[in-house]
Amino acid sequence: QVQLKESGPGLVKPSLTLSLTCTVSGFSLSSYGVIWVRQPPGKGLEWMGVIWGNGNTNYNSALKSRLSISRDTSKSQVFLKMNNLQTEDTAMYFCARLGQGAAFDYWGQGVMVTVSS
Amino acid sequence: DVVLTQTPVSLLISLGGQASISCRSSQSLVHSNGNTYLHWYLQKPGQSPQLLIYQVSNRFSGIPDRFSGSGSGTDFTLKISRVEPEDLGVYYCLQRTHNPWTFGGGTKLELK
Repeated sequence: QVQLKESGPGLVKPSLTLSLTCTVSGFSLSSYGVIWVRQPPGKGLEWMGVIWGNGNTNYNSALKSRLSISRDTSKSQVFLKMNNLQTEDTAMYFCARLGQGAAFDYWGQGVMVTVSS
Repeated sequence: DVVLTQTPVSLLISLGGQASISCRSSQSLVHSNGNTYLHWYLQKPGQSPQLLIYQVSNRFSGIPDRFSGSGSGTDFTLKISRVEPEDLGVYYCLQRTHNPWTFGGGTKLELK
C-alpha cells in the first residue's frame, strides 16, 4: 500500500539549514509528484513546494529563495532543504503524494521541527 | 495569492446532525484545462490531514457517502450528514488551480 514517512532532526538552530527526507513505498516517484506542507503549532496548513514525476519542481513564492526539493528515485526518497531557518519556521512538516484528482491523496505522519538556539 | 475563506470557523453539531462548511475563493478556481482543483481535507487531532473530496465533488476511496461536496467558480460547500464521533476535527479546503497552492483557514467541528 501507499506509504510516506518523513524523517529529520527535531531541533535546528537559527540561521542553519533544515534537511528532511520523505521515504515512500507503494508507488514510483517517476509516476507521481510529492509535495511538502508545513503546519506551525496550533495553526493552519501551508503548501511549500512540489517535485513532479518528471523531476521538475515548483515552490511557494514565499519560500522560494530558501527552499530546495530534490529526489533519489532509486531510493524512493524525496528531500527538502531550507536554509536560514528562523523561529517562525518551527512547525510540523508533512510530505504527501500528488495523486488522485490532482489532490494530495496520501500523507506521511509528519515530523516536528523546532528552531531554537 | 488566492485566499480561501472558510466559514464558520467553528461548528457545534450534535451526533447524527448535519454540518455545512463554506469555502469561498478570491478568484475563480476553474483551471484553463476546465477542471476545478478544489479539495477538502479532515485533520483529526494529532493526525495528518486526510483527503475527503477531490475536485469539488468526488469522494476519495473509503470516504462514506455522508460526505458530499458541491460548488463552482468561487463558492464551494462541504456537507456532512449524520455526524459521527470520528468526523470531529478541523476541515480544510485546498485550491490547486493557482500557484501558490493555498489552504483555507480551517473549520473546527466539535460536538454540542
